[in-house]
Amino acid sequence: QKEVEQDPGPLSVPEGAIVSLNCTYSNSAFQYFMWYRQYSRKGPELLMYTYSSGNKEDGRFTAQVDKSSKYISLFIRDSQPSDSATYLCAMRLSSASKIIFGSGTRLSIRP
Amino acid sequence: NAGVTQTPKFRILKIGQSMTLQCTQDMNHNYMYWYRQDPGMGLKLIYYSVGAGITDKGEVPNGYNVSRSTTEDFPLRLELAAPSQTSVYFCASRGTSGITDTQYFGPGTRLTVL
Repeated sequence: QKEVEQDPGPLSVPEGAIVSLNCTYSNSAFQYFMWYRQYSRKGPELLMYTYSSGNKEDGRFTAQVDKSSKYISLFIRDSQPSDSATYLCAMRLSSASKIIFGSGTRLSIRP
Repeated sequence: NAGVTQTPKFRILKIGQSMTLQCTQDMNHNYMYWYRQDPGMGLKLIYYSVGAGITDKGEVPNGYNVSRSTTEDFPLRLELAAPSQTSVYFCASRGTSGITDTQYFGPGTRLTVL
């Protein structure tokens, strides 16, 4: 079993839709949870960062962590064509320097 | 402020050749990482470093070597290139101040081994 599982997609939705991206994980010791966005032929960039459980909102983006279910989500409201990218979830242990990445979900927003 | 820079951007190697992928960061970060990303896959950690003179293996270190003689530079060496090393290679760095776990990624090196 992989430490972090993520549906690869691709996911295609119309502009303005609410998008839900998800990851599950197996290691209950993970404390830091992140979402990275990667445009085609570019390096990933940090989008959202959450410590432990709960929700975090930043503009149109909301990150949720449910540690009891070992499940994290990223919601995108009022999706725009510029949101078309691959979204990678990532997490790490509190005391380690390594980050474990999901395989990424490719998202396409249709105008 | 250039962030993380990588050279070259593209490279084609023949089987058995060797090369060094360069990575430099100007943010005075202690942590540096090398990842590879295969098509449709996530990032696999090859090697990482927590400071000058200290390196450690990641998930997929076989066929690669690294060194960290300065804070700024973290080159990745491929010896005896194989087709299985065809991939996009990303270097990243991370600081230790603040709570935001921001890894800054370089633009990547696209390597093809034929």
